[in-house]
Amino acid sequence: GAVVSQHPSWVICKSGTSVKIECRSLDFQATTMFWYRQFPKQSLMLMATSNEGSKATYEQGVEKDKFLINHASLTLSTLTVTSAHPEDSSFYICSARGGSESGEQYFGPGTRLTVT
Amino acid sequence: DAKTTQPPSMDCAEGRAANLPCNHSTISGNEYVYWYRQIHSQGPQYIIHGLKNNETNEMASLIITEDRKSSTLILPHATLRDTAVYYCIVRAASGGSNYKLTFGKGTLLTVNP
Repeated sequence: GAVVSQHPSWVICKSGTSVKIECRSLDFQATTMFWYRQFPKQSLMLMATSNEGSKATYEQGVEKDKFLINHASLTLSTLTVTSAHPEDSSFYICSARGGSESGEQYFGPGTRLTVT
Repeated sequence: DAKTTQPPSMDCAEGRAANLPCNHSTISGNEYVYWYRQIHSQGPQYIIHGLKNNETNEMASLIITEDRKSSTLILPHATLRDTAVYYCIVRAASGGSNYKLTFGKGTLLTVNP
């Protein structure tokens, strides 16, 4: 299957700082990328959907000014957690799909964010 | 709100077939059944998907009932590395630029030696 990478794989930051997470589709062009968040022992929750060159669509309850998403190219999307707080500590996972009709959506390995 | 119901956990002996059930009684005619799995602390991995017919690939087989209200994922020869949470998800067919995978709680499959 297609490969999606994330960087960094884990990050520790201080409360009040901002953190940027990168998501790349390595061998296909991702027309749509998705960002999920997963708290311990819970399932994945979709945060937002982004199409290349367009503004992201956020799920209800997700603050768009706090979680900035940029999908500037067909292979790269970034999630910036602004003014991070300890409650933002979570496992952030991106996903990407191409423009084909096949429908598969591929996931990155995730980024573990810890805010101290 | 997930449209599927799965048992919270299952056990399987190594080398045996693992049969994971999923109920999706409200599935619409244009919705596919997708299966993903998530090994601890990793991103989900795509396994297989289908619409009406049974499907098979190098990882698994997907059996969908004729009325499409339920399906079974079959791992023919489970190994210890197949221990993971398995998610059954229904999603509309492609056609729109955005469609979302909504994850439920899944089934924790534990393969025992």
